[in-house]
Amino acid sequence: AQTVTQSQPEMSVQEAETVTLSCTYDTSENNYYLFWYKQPPSRQMILVIRQEAYKQQNATENRFSVNFQKAAKSFSLKISDSQLGDTAMYFCAFMNLIQGAQKLVFGQGTRLTINP
Amino acid sequence: GAVVSQHPSRVICKSGTSVKIECRSLDFQATTMFWYRQFPKKSLMLMATSNEGSKATYEQGVEKDKFLINHASLTLSTLTVTSAHPEDSSFYICSASGQGEYEQYFGPGTRLTVT
Repeated sequence: AQTVTQSQPEMSVQEAETVTLSCTYDTSENNYYLFWYKQPPSRQMILVIRQEAYKQQNATENRFSVNFQKAAKSFSLKISDSQLGDTAMYFCAFMNLIQGAQKLVFGQGTRLTINP
Repeated sequence: GAVVSQHPSRVICKSGTSVKIECRSLDFQATTMFWYRQFPKKSLMLMATSNEGSKATYEQGVEKDKFLINHASLTLSTLTVTSAHPEDSSFYICSASGQGEYEQYFGPGTRLTVT
């Protein structure tokens, strides 16, 4: 079974700083997707960024980028020029495409606080 | 973008009663829907996967007879918590995927409190 580990329960940075959230995963599969989701106080899950495992290029979405190290099974999220609205829980998630059921396996989450 | 709604957003019920939570895809056909449970300050745990017109597939440890899932149409799935007890109090989130899609679109969640 796949597992996802987020080793940072909480992080806090000043507004405009850059912050990196860590995520590692364990799988024997070769074909999968990785995601970062944001859950603000409203508790609505919001997709931040996704990475297909077969792509070597790291995904980027505006201020959000990932560092995908397939051999190391690492998938960190970098938030540049952090904003107060980035304050939220962040979940790393794994999806094994081989199984066909598209099940998401979530990490434990990192609570990120952006301070003014 | 794809929108998924849940109803109700919060519900309080008495111990021993049953409560139904609805999950609807508003602007796309959801061939697959997922139900998650989230305890306070914890991660999302998948309870079951349902495909339209088929029986739901439950994760290990989830009681099928307690958490009844119905996915009778391409836009609606329901989760019924039967004979609810205080330990069933939690935040329940659904998500939905379209045919051939891998991305899941999440509903806003339902907070269930059993007294």
